[in-house]
Amino acid sequence: AQKVTQAQTEISVVEKEDVTLDCVYETRDTTYYLFWYKQPPSGELVFLIRRNSFDEQNEISGRYSWNFQKSTSSFNFTITASQVVDSAVYFCALTSGGATNKLIFGTGTLLAVQP
Amino acid sequence: DVKVTQSSRYLVKRTGEKVFLECVQDMDHENMFWYRQDPGLGLRLIYFSYDVKMKEKGDIPEGYSVSREKKERFSLILESASTNQTSMYLCASSSTPAGRVGNTIYFGEGSWLTVV
Repeated sequence: AQKVTQAQTEISVVEKEDVTLDCVYETRDTTYYLFWYKQPPSGELVFLIRRNSFDEQNEISGRYSWNFQKSTSSFNFTITASQVVDSAVYFCALTSGGATNKLIFGTGTLLAVQP
Repeated sequence: DVKVTQSSRYLVKRTGEKVFLECVQDMDHENMFWYRQDPGLGLRLIYFSYDVKMKEKGDIPEGYSVSREKKERFSLILESASTNQTSMYLCASSSTPAGRVGNTIYFGEGSWLTVV
């Protein structure tokens, strides 16, 4: 069975603090993809990153960075120097491919960045 | 840019009504999805379609049906709305050429449905 766990329900930080959102996944497949999505108050899910199971190289994009570790089945997301505009719900998701892209989501982490 | 458009952002319906939620995508994507989002439960897949007139049940299909008569349009139907179907509904689409699994899924803005 596939599962994504985001143990942090809510996180509150003060602007300019660094914050890490945790994601732990379960799958028996050797080929799989992991995603992070951001959902601002407007409701639309915004794609942030996709990672495949064969690429454990960490990635940095501006203030965002992702740490993928197969040994611990984790795909954590760090925001450096957080800003109020980062306030949103963040979802981690997993797909193991196949003919379609059925995406399994975690329950999300609500990040509140206070000015 | 990929655009996934959901026709209604906010709806209020009465128990027992038939409800249609419409979704249109403009990128010729093969796959389309309907998810339901509830607090503490994340997004749960209701139905998905990988081609015109093709559909498969997701994790929570009970009380829902879907229609995909054209490639760009995927409709979610609540045959007889109930209060426990009050939720936010998200439509999504993606492209999957053969062998290229894991393509990004793009989402619409969501439809907030309240059943009273």
